Amino acid sequence: GENVEQHPSTLSVQEGDSAVIKCTYSDSASNYFPWYKQELGKRPQLIIDIRSNVGEKKDQRIAVTLNKTAKHFSLHITETQPEDSAVYFCAASRRGLTGGGNKLTFGTGTQLKVEL
Amino acid sequence: DAGVIQSPRHEVTEMGQEVTLRCKPISGHNSLFWYRQTMMRGLELLIYFNNNVPIDDSGMPEDRFSAKMPNASFSTLKIQPSEPRDSAVYFCASSLRIRDRAYQETQYFGPGTRLLVL
Repeated sequence: GENVEQHPSTLSVQEGDSAVIKCTYSDSASNYFPWYKQELGKRPQLIIDIRSNVGEKKDQRIAVTLNKTAKHFSLHITETQPEDSAVYFCAASRRGLTGGGNKLTFGTGTQLKVEL
Repeated sequence: DAGVIQSPRHEVTEMGQEVTLRCKPISGHNSLFWYRQTMMRGLELLIYFNNNVPIDDSGMPEDRFSAKMPNASFSTLKIQPSEPRDSAVYFCASSLRIRDRAYQETQYFGPGTRLLVL
């Protein structure tokens, strides 16, 4: 099955700096890579996703890059703000031949702390 | 516009008791997922349903866990008997599967049920 590794496990940055979180996956057939943000005591919420037919996607201060050859993808947050402090999870999945809502395999999470 | 609804939000029980967690997916969604989150193991998929049919239950830890989806708007996850190691946050998520679409659809998570087994 799919295995997703995520690094670093903790990341501390100064407000205004950039933050980068990296993930690798093992299943070359994976074609969908979402990123979730989870604030303390809250549910995971999708912040951005990328599909394997593109190499990069951007939404305001957040961007995700995908390298299918190397099987890794990254989350980039620019101009970080205190409200960006949370745990970020990457995930990977593929659409099965039989269809259905296929499962996401999550990374272990990155605790991001944005310091004033 | 209601999101995924879970109940109860918090549950404290004693070892050996039966626990039932409930989930109502987003109206119109046809895929439902149960996850467990702990510090040690992170987010684990327990089971998922498509059109009320269980598709993959390989993440269910053992026979003490069971899940049902009797209709499109309701699912339960039951633990019987419960043990202290079952203490975790249990999330339900739903998505809309569109036939023949090549990519996974976005999963929307409920608020979770925080379970403590004493």
